[in-house]
Amino acid sequence: GQQVMQIPQYQHVQEGEDFTTYCNSSTTLSNIQWYKQRPGGHPVFLIQLVKSGEVKKQKRLTFQFGEAKKNSSLHITATQTTDVGTYFCAGPVRGSEKLVFGKGTKLTVNP
Amino acid sequence: GAVVSQHPSWVICKSGTSVKIECRSLDFQATTMFWYRQFPKQSLMLMATSNEGSKATYEQGVEKDKFLINHASLTLSTLTVTSAHPEDSSFYICSARDPRRGTYEQYFGPGTRLTVT
Repeated sequence: GQQVMQIPQYQHVQEGEDFTTYCNSSTTLSNIQWYKQRPGGHPVFLIQLVKSGEVKKQKRLTFQFGEAKKNSSLHITATQTTDVGTYFCAGPVRGSEKLVFGKGTKLTVNP
Repeated sequence: GAVVSQHPSWVICKSGTSVKIECRSLDFQATTMFWYRQFPKQSLMLMATSNEGSKATYEQGVEKDKFLINHASLTLSTLTVTSAHPEDSSFYICSARDPRRGTYEQYFGPGTRLTVT
């Protein structure tokens, strides 16, 4: 079945360092979404990318969708303690409203 | 906009009893809602897709007689864990798409932490 792989599983950084998580789908995606889940919280939608090669920025976060629409990345510049959480990518199951989620990357930031 | 609530936020029940979890879309109508289960330090596992006015569609391996889903209205879906056992202890989260947005993202409720003793 359709799978979404995400690496790394864990990332620990010092505050101020950059962070990147990578997402790779087994199939071409019509769009890719990113969510953030704070410890003890629920996933919160961050952004959706639709176009091949699309790059979107939200302050210190940069999201990229690959040319083949099978991979994506999230880069955080100069991490802060507020960035702590697990970042999930998700892609839609073809012909359905369902999403398949990556396993997530848990980010911890040392102040 | 696109707020989803869930009730209760946590519940402790005894083995063999049933627990009902409610999921509501507060400011939009959701023809489709989703129920997920999340184990500690793990990803979201889709359990079922809840459709207003029709039967839920369950993912492979999810027992439909154990996890009863009812989507009674455009703003309410319920998940009932029947004859709960300790292995059913988990974090259950619902989500919904906002059809007004024309995009595919899902909005999640705050989740329900179920502990079965």
